Amino acid sequence: DAKTTQPPSMDCAEGRAANLPCNHSTISGNEYVYWYRQIHSQGPQYIIHGLKNNETNEMASLIITEDRKSSTLILPHATLRDTAVYYCIVIPSTSGTYKYIFGTGTRLKVLA
Amino acid sequence: DSGVTQTPKHLITATGQRVTLRCSPRSGDLSVYWYQQSLDQGLQFLIQYYNGEERAKGNILERFSAQQFPDLHSELNLSSLELGDSALYFCASSPTGGDEKLFFGSGTQLSVL
Repeated sequence: DAKTTQPPSMDCAEGRAANLPCNHSTISGNEYVYWYRQIHSQGPQYIIHGLKNNETNEMASLIITEDRKSSTLILPHATLRDTAVYYCIVIPSTSGTYKYIFGTGTRLKVLA
Repeated sequence: DSGVTQTPKHLITATGQRVTLRCSPRSGDLSVYWYQQSLDQGLQFLIQYYNGEERAKGNILERFSAQQFPDLHSELNLSSLELGDSALYFCASSPTGGDEKLFFGSGTQLSVL
């Protein structure tokens, strides 16, 4: 079963930052946090991942709390094209038989 | 374009029939994953292969089976189809099946009538 909890839906005004929270209170020390998004019925797309430190790339920033029990994905300037379902999942660092489980995600709607 | 190719894009069939979905992973990727997504549902993990061998199994029905061939492409076989099997089926690939990002194909839309 999914090891993360996310709000089912969120709205964000276009041009504003979208902050998507994820709770992973049972995360282990060697488990990474990954974020993906799925636009309409397309295949999910990788966004960003992290272990302990905050991460930033051209798509988003990932803020992980010091106790690693939660994280926030930040889309700094949301556009209409960012409307999608965002999935937060945890991945062990030495995956052998781990099942890449996606939860139900957060449905983000960017409003004009 | 993720580099993962799924065929066919759409498939319409009748209850009781059998179909085969095909997936070609990105060049160099050894691991393939299959997911099922019913209407307005999340992604359900079905099965993972690594270099031809089954590595992990999720909620895959006994009527479903999969395999990964020596050229690393994979096929998902669905038999005795039921109306409830209508869904989007996604394939993903990754280099080693470890702690790395997955690259998803565009999916196969299966409609069972």
